[in-house]
This record gives sequence, structure tokens and C-alpha cells, in this order.
Amino acid sequence: GAVVSQHPSRVICKSGTSVKIECRSLDFQATTMFWYRQFPKKSLMLMATSNEGSKATYEQGVEKDKFLINHASLTLSTLTVTSAHPEDSSFYICSANLAGESYNEQFFGPGTRLTVL
Amino acid sequence: AQKITQTQPGMFVQEKEAVTLDCTYDTSDQSYGLFWYKQPSSGEMIFLIYQGSYDQQNATEGRYSLNFQKARKSANLVISASQLGDSAMYFCAMREGFNQFYFGTGTSLTVIP
Repeated sequence: GAVVSQHPSRVICKSGTSVKIECRSLDFQATTMFWYRQFPKKSLMLMATSNEGSKATYEQGVEKDKFLINHASLTLSTLTVTSAHPEDSSFYICSANLAGESYNEQFFGPGTRLTVL
Repeated sequence: AQKITQTQPGMFVQEKEAVTLDCTYDTSDQSYGLFWYKQPSSGEMIFLIYQGSYDQQNATEGRYSLNFQKARKSANLVISASQLGDSAMYFCAMREGFNQFYFGTGTSLTVIP
């Protein structure tokens, strides 16, 4: 299947700093990427849908100014957690949509574990 | 209403036995897709199997099969001959429209030696 990478895999930062997470589709172009947040032993919570060349669509309750999403190219989307606080500590997963005439699949990155001290 | 319901928070199965993980879904769309993903403790989401709403036959991928009952709106995952490496969280998901994906709350599967 298609490969999606995420960088970094783990990050520990101090409260008040900003953290950027990259999501790349390595062997395909993705017009749409998704950002999820997952708490321990919980399901994935969709944060936003990122479309190449346009503004991201955020889910209800997700702060746009807190979680900045940029989809600058067909292979790269970034999530920046601005002024991070301990409650932002979580597992962040991106996915990329690969769609054709007869299929529409979502491929996930390996995730980024963010710890804010 | 929940789009995807997984009613089994935790399941145990003996090694080499088969296990069924339940999933029901709610949609009024005619065209949709159903997915199962495995999430081991490392966190990555591993795609297991896909069933399209128009597919006549149940999807199978190796030891995984999807028991698709459209009228009941259920898409249960069957894992045959369980292995210790199957211990993980399993998520059922549905694609509605082009880009709307919904995930269930997950089932934690533990394979007992």
C-alpha cells in the first residue's frame, strides 16, 4: 500500500513553545490529508481536513489558532501546535487520501507522540 | 447517533482460535466503504480489510474476513487462527461520501497463549 510518513515520531517540549509536525505522502500525491488526535486507549478524533492549496476545514471544538494546518504541496501537510500546554500532550496521527476510479482509501502515518512539560 | 458502533471494548481469544469483532454502522448513503484497522501498542494504524457497499461478496485478506450484512448494517471482522501478534486495538471505520471518515471506539483484543 501507499506510504505516509510523519516527523517527528516523538517530541517533548516546554510549555509555551510551538511544535511543528510534518506529514508526507511518499509515493503518491494526496490532495486531502487528515489530522487526528488520539488519547490513550481512545479512538481517533478528527481534528481537521487539510486540502492542498486551500484552508483547512476544522472540526467543531478544534481551535484554528491553536492548531495551524498548512498543506503547501500534494505530498506535505504540517500541523503546528502553537503555544503548547500540557493538555495538548497527545498522540497525533495524520492520514492521506488515495482515491481513484474504483477505490478510495486512507493511509495513516505512524503518529507523533507529543509531550508538553 | 453514532456513525460507527463497536460494542466490545475488550476481547480475549485463545491462540489458534477464531474471533469475531463486532461493528455496526449508520448511514443513509447508498455508496460507502467500510474499513478495519489494527493499532498495535506502537501506535501506527495498519489497514486490514475493506468492503465497499456495492460489493456482493464478503471481503477476505489472508486470515481476515469481513462479515458484511448490509440489511443489518453490520461489518464484523473475523480473524481466523489467532496469533499472539494479533493482540492490539482494532478500529472499524466508514467512509461516507468522498472524504468523510468515521471511526468506532475500538476493541482491544488480547490473544492468550
